[in-house]
Amino acid sequence: DIQMTQSPSSVSASVGDRVTITCRASQGIRSWLAWYQQKPGKAPKLLIYAASSLQTGVPSRFSGSGSGTDFTLTIRSLQPEDFASYYCQQTNIFPLTFGGGTKVEIK
Amino acid sequence: EVQLLDSGGGLEQPGGSLRLSCAASGFTFSTSIMSWVRQAPGKGLEWVSTISDSGSGTYYADSVKGRFTISRDNSKSTLYLQMNSLRAEDTAVYYCAKSLSYYDSSPFDYWGQGTLVTVSS
Repeated sequence: DIQMTQSPSSVSASVGDRVTITCRASQGIRSWLAWYQQKPGKAPKLLIYAASSLQTGVPSRFSGSGSGTDFTLTIRSLQPEDFASYYCQQTNIFPLTFGGGTKVEIK
Repeated sequence: EVQLLDSGGGLEQPGGSLRLSCAASGFTFSTSIMSWVRQAPGKGLEWVSTISDSGSGTYYADSVKGRFTISRDNSKSTLYLQMNSLRAEDTAVYYCAKSLSYYDSSPFDYWGQGTLVTVSS
């Protein structure tokens, strides 16, 4: 199975900050990576797929990059509604696996 | 508007069974790959199972293989998860999810609201 390791597990930031979350796969997955946002008590929401493609309706302050084993989710200017948990997921091969999550908290 | 309505969760004893359902609307269910993902209380996301559009292809996490069965009824636009031999570690919110694209391991672009399964004596 492909292990997905996210870092950091939590980050404290202020509105307007730039936030970067990383995700590392235990083996190469080309660009088969997705990022999700989840708010408490709600279902996850797809932000990025194929490592860098922005899902329809997602603000352009979100961006993704990387290929192979190392990936990054960047939030360019953090907004109040962005305080949430973020998960990466490899979509290269079954079993599909998620990273452990990163909680973005208010500083 | 795409809607996925999860139902069927509840309290069940260890060793018992439950069947989850996911009623879909607002898209062509019969050509969509569908999945179940779960989240234990306070924990991260765990993929459980995926089924191809025709139902001929199914995939399972090792943690549920042999105990859970995913199925679909395209005439009713409904996805199912039959859960047998339930264990305490199956306690979680279960989400049904629709795949973004045509390949089986595609990411999930729409999710249900989730249904809570609690396994306890």
